[in-house]
Amino acid sequence: GAVVSQHPSWVICKSGTSVKIECRSLDFQATTMFWYRQFPKQSLMLMATSNEGSKATYEQGVEKDKFLINHASLTLSTLTVTSAHPEDSSFYICSALGGATNEKLFFGSGTQLSVL
Amino acid sequence: DAKTTQPPSMDCAEGRAANLPCNHSTISGNEYVYWYRQIHSQGPQYIIHGLKNNETNEMASLIITEDRKSSTLILPHATLRDTAVYYCIARGVNTGRRALTFGSGTRLQVQP
Repeated sequence: GAVVSQHPSWVICKSGTSVKIECRSLDFQATTMFWYRQFPKQSLMLMATSNEGSKATYEQGVEKDKFLINHASLTLSTLTVTSAHPEDSSFYICSALGGATNEKLFFGSGTQLSVL
Repeated sequence: DAKTTQPPSMDCAEGRAANLPCNHSTISGNEYVYWYRQIHSQGPQYIIHGLKNNETNEMASLIITEDRKSSTLILPHATLRDTAVYYCIARGVNTGRRALTFGSGTRLQVQP
């Protein structure tokens, strides 16, 4: 099946620094990727939709200047958490549309971000 | 997308079949039923999806009632590695490039 690779799997950073998370579709092209966030014991919450070659679309309440998304190629989307603070500590998960008719979402393994 | 309702938790004995129910009474004719699962600290994993016919793959079987108002995911021989949160999601066929909306799912605990 289709594989989505997400890197790094975990990161610890100091407050005020920026962190970049990469999401790659390894064996298929993904014109659309999605970024989710998950807090402990909660479900996944969609943050933004990333379209190759165009600006990302953010969900209500998600700051676009804080969570920078770049989708410069058909196989790579990046999420940069700028000036991270402890409240940004969370599990970040990317996903990509795939399948014969883009009917399935394939997910990366997630990135656990801890901001000190 | 239609709302889905799942029990918050279930237990299953190892080696037995795990039957996970999902209610989607307001599902429309063009909405598929998708099942994903999330093992602790990992990204969700696609299991199976279907429209109205029962479906089976190497992981599970999906049984959809004739009126499509509910479905059951069946793991035929549950193992300890099947312990996870299972999400049932309704999603339209012609939704374009939209994400999946996750509810709270069912936490399945497979007991040795």
